[in-house]
Amino acid sequence: GDSVTQMEGPVTLSEEAFLTINCTYTATGYPSLFWYVQYPGEGLQLLLKATKADDKGSNKGFEATYRKETTSFHLEKGSVQVSDSAVYFCALSDQGNKETSGSRLTFGEGTQLTVNP
Amino acid sequence: DSGVTQTPKHLITATGQRVTLRCSPRSGDLSVYWYQQSLDQGLQFLIQYYNGEERAKGNILERFSAQQFPDLHSELNLSSLELGDSALYFCASSEYWTDTEAFFGQGTRLTVV
Repeated sequence: GDSVTQMEGPVTLSEEAFLTINCTYTATGYPSLFWYVQYPGEGLQLLLKATKADDKGSNKGFEATYRKETTSFHLEKGSVQVSDSAVYFCALSDQGNKETSGSRLTFGEGTQLTVNP
Repeated sequence: DSGVTQTPKHLITATGQRVTLRCSPRSGDLSVYWYQQSLDQGLQFLIQYYNGEERAKGNILERFSAQQFPDLHSELNLSSLELGDSALYFCASSEYWTDTEAFFGQGTRLTVV
């Protein structure tokens, strides 16, 4: 079945440091890829997405590129802020037969990011 | 604010009991998803409904059931509760059943004691 593997956390950085969170996936079809963020006490918010190979998703200074050849979707940010402290989830969605089946997200384990001032 | 409303926010109940979690999707969304987030299992997909019909099923226990009503709100029923059912339960919604992007509520934290 589909699966997502994220780099193990937690990750602790100083403000303005460069961030990379690795994500690789296994899927039988042509999945869409996502990064979700969960702030303390809140639900998941979509951070960015990419729906086909070589697409780059970007939002709030975060970027990730859909790499089919390496089955990866690594999250990067050039300069992190204290307000970026949260848990980040990589996820994929593969509907299979679009006419008959629904859709679901398969999530990675999540990576806790703490940014210190 | 995602527009997805879940109630209650917190629930504490005893083993063997039954609870109902409620979800109101974003205005205009026909599809509702339920996810369970626990420390040992991570985020797991439970079930999807679209316009009142079940569309996809994941790792949902037989003790759990869900339904989507004509007004599109959804309920997740958990029965014969065990300590291991303690988790954060999220509802998400999207416009169509094939949507790959979903909007999440803030979750219901269930504690079974």
